[in-house]
Amino acid sequence: EVQLVESGGGLVQREGSLRLSCAASGFPFSSYWMTWVRQAPGKGLEWVAAIKPDGTEKYYVDSVKGRFTISRDNAKNSLYLQMISLRAEDTAVYYCARMSFWANDYWGQGTLVTVSS
Amino acid sequence: QSALTQPPSASGSPGQSVTISCTGTSSDIGGYDHVSWYQQHPGKAPKLMIYEVTKRPSGVPDRFSGSKSGNTASLTVSGLQAEDEADYYCSSYAGSNSWVFGGGTKVTVL
Repeated sequence: EVQLVESGGGLVQREGSLRLSCAASGFPFSSYWMTWVRQAPGKGLEWVAAIKPDGTEKYYVDSVKGRFTISRDNAKNSLYLQMISLRAEDTAVYYCARMSFWANDYWGQGTLVTVSS
Repeated sequence: QSALTQPPSASGSPGQSVTISCTGTSSDIGGYDHVSWYQQHPGKAPKLMIYEVTKRPSGVPDRFSGSKSGNTASLTVSGLQAEDEADYYCSSYAGSNSWVFGGGTKVTVL
């Protein structure tokens, strides 16, 4: 059974930093693109970042470029999102998701990040 | 990286059909057959319902179908059931290894 479990969310001050983790199991993690998608309270979904299976290529939505870094450790079946210089508009539930056929076919339960001003 | 455009709401009676549109541009929906649709119930994670415009993952009822014409994709839910009441989001590959979502449509079963 495919499982994705996020952790690391919490309350952080504006301009602070936070590192999210996503533990994957039930599938060959090193064979899949992985993504982070966020959802601000009461709002829609927003793609945040994606990473190639071997970790050599990483892509971001413009609003987080230079502030967020996606990474993975295939030996630990884990995905990460390092976030710095956090802003109020980064407040959201952050989901990690597996990508297959250009779609996010499995999602974690999400972890809430709240940026206080 | 502009969001795709969806109607904020749609509704139908049990047994009826509802169709949700998702409008983009030639740089996303119109340029690739990589449109997907997600269902999200309150407080839950999104669930993939359609990928590559028309394909259904295993376990998704065939009441759900997808299509695309030009820069607009559509999701049709036939034979509406109470459990179909949820938010629905479209998404498309937008080139240069980026993806974009729609703003979401709240489907109400009357």
